[in-house]
Amino acid sequence: NAGVTQTPKFQVLKTGQSMTLQCAQDMNHEYMSWYRQDPGMGLRLIHYSVGAGITDQGEVPNGYNVSRSTTEDFPLRLLSAAPSQTSVYFCASSFRQGAVGLFFGSGTQLSVL
Amino acid sequence: RKEVEQDPGPFNVPEGATVAFNCTYSNSASQSFFWYRQDCRKEPKLLMSVYSSGNEDGRFTAQLNRASQYISLLIRDSKLSDSATYLCVVNSYSGAGSYQLTFGKGTKLSVIP
Repeated sequence: NAGVTQTPKFQVLKTGQSMTLQCAQDMNHEYMSWYRQDPGMGLRLIHYSVGAGITDQGEVPNGYNVSRSTTEDFPLRLLSAAPSQTSVYFCASSFRQGAVGLFFGSGTQLSVL
Repeated sequence: RKEVEQDPGPFNVPEGATVAFNCTYSNSASQSFFWYRQDCRKEPKLLMSVYSSGNEDGRFTAQLNRASQYISLLIRDSKLSDSATYLCVVNSYSGAGSYQLTFGKGTKLSVIP
């Protein structure tokens, strides 16, 4: 019963490097999303998807890309990492947008030097 | 005015105490409400939904006051294991079949032996 699987757990990047955070869920959820959590800022939505082939921007999308080619996977790409992207990233999914119960992955601690 | 506001705490209470958290929200059209719990360096997890009539789950009671636009969480007989940050979450319809989840920044609770 894996739920939402997020990798890697920790990552250190240099400014300008690119990388992809992986997220997969095995609950057949339509809705998937990415959040970042910074001290004193709470959780902020980066991008979300309401189904395969459909993505949309959240509150803080700049510097990030997403795609949703399958129901299960929703990777987050950092195009050119900046120190301002140092944060904890969470992937989350639910049966549908607005449904009760958003299930979170265990998070990725990202540091950009 | 921030959309979802919580007292950040910390609330330091002895074991066995009763503690209450409040959360206010600004969007009067908000439709559903939740409390999530987040342990240190872990992902948020759904604690309970909040219904207009109020609802209880063991030692936890959640209430909603739509007129005053606030929700509350009451924890009775606090346990050491209740130590965590409690996130208030509000779900609002944003049009065209879309919903917006807004997270509060959280209230930190420390239960002391």
